[in-house]
Formats: sequence, structure tokens, C-alpha cells
Amino acid sequence: QLQLQQSGPGLVKPSQTLSLTCAISGDSVSSNNAAWNWIRQSPSRGLEWLGRTYYRSKWFRDYALSVNGRITINPDTSKNQFSLQLTSLTPEDTAVYYCVRGPLYYLGTTTYYFDYWGQGTLVTVAS
Amino acid sequence: QSALTQPASVSGSPGQSITISCTGTSSDVGAYYLVSWYQQYPGKTPKVIIYEVTQRPSEVSNRFSGSKSGNTATLTISGLQAEDEADYYCCSYAGGTSVLFGGGTKLTVL
Repeated sequence: QLQLQQSGPGLVKPSQTLSLTCAISGDSVSSNNAAWNWIRQSPSRGLEWLGRTYYRSKWFRDYALSVNGRITINPDTSKNQFSLQLTSLTPEDTAVYYCVRGPLYYLGTTTYYFDYWGQGTLVTVAS
Repeated sequence: QSALTQPASVSGSPGQSITISCTGTSSDVGAYYLVSWYQQYPGKTPKVIIYEVTQRPSEVSNRFSGSKSGNTATLTISGLQAEDEADYYCCSYAGGTSVLFGGGTKLTVL
């Protein structure tokens, strides 16, 4: 059974960098048919897709325009996990952050949906 | 890009059918067959119930179904049960590196 286990701080100061890690069991971060996403949820912004990384002969990374320039998602094949770094935090970045798997392909064509979710990490940006 | 538009709340009685709409644009919902729906109970993680507009994961009840017409996708729940009371979110690929979610709909079973 695939499981995603998140770790990282729950409180970060404004202007600092958020770092979260997602450990994968039951699948491989290097899978040819999986994308590894970060999604956040807050009362003010709802659900918001932040970005993803996936492997297709080489590593790819896609980021949402709303956080592009502040976000980095990296795979760690030695530990079978992936991470999120989000810089220059403001109180608007306060949210529950989820690591999420999504299939890359359905019936041979590119697809976009999210089938396995981590437990979520409440991140509060405050001094 | 703006979030997809969903009604804030819908309600129905046990046994009835309800629909939840998800309205986007010709650049997202209308452009791709890549709409998914998620069910979320309070304090829990979202769970996919529909993907690729109409596809249902094997473990999801066949009372849940999806459709799309133009820029609007629709989730239908038939034979409403008390356990269906939850928040529901739609999601659509919107081209490039854009994935949009709806604002969510709270379903109340009367």
C-alpha cells in the first residue's frame, strides 16, 4: 500500500524558508508513471497546486506561476523521498501543505489527477 | 488564473440525487478532458472520486458519476447517504504548468 509520510516544521518566521520532506513507501520517486506534487490548502486560498517533479529519462520540475521563483521541488533517490522549499515566506503562505502522488499517464496519454495524499502539515508563518 | 467556480453549498435528502457544478473557461475545463473531483471530510485529506471527467477509482461507489459540457463539469451523487456529507472540490488542468481547483462545495444531507 502506497504511503506518503511528511515531515517538517509547523512554524516558520516571515521572510524565512519553508522546508518539507515527503518519504515514499510502496512506490519509487523515480517511477516512470508518477508525478510527485505539493498542494496546499488554506481558508483564504482554498486548494492550490504548487508544483511537481517527475522522472522520464531525466528529472522534470513544473511550478505554479503563483509561486514560481520562490519554490524548489527536489527528488532524493537515495532516500526515496522528495522535498519542498518555499522562500520569502509571508503570512499568506500559512496553510496545510500536502505531498501528493499523481499518475503521469492514463491509457497511454498524459493525465492530471491526484490519488495518494500525505497526512498534511499545518505551516504557520508568524513571528 | 482564477479558481474554478463551484456553488458554496448544496443539500439533499437521503435517497435523492444531487449535482455539483464546476464552471471554468475554454482554457481549462472546456479545453481538456482532465477534470477530477475530490471528497474531503473535516480534518481529513482529500480523496479522489472522479478523474478524467468520468472515470471512477475501483474503490469508489458507483453512486458517484461525472460529466462535462462545454466549460462546466458536473459531479452527480445518486442515492444520497448520510456518509456523503462532506466537502467536494473539482480540479482541472489548465495548460502549461497550471492546475486549478474549485473553491469547494459543502454537501449537507438533510
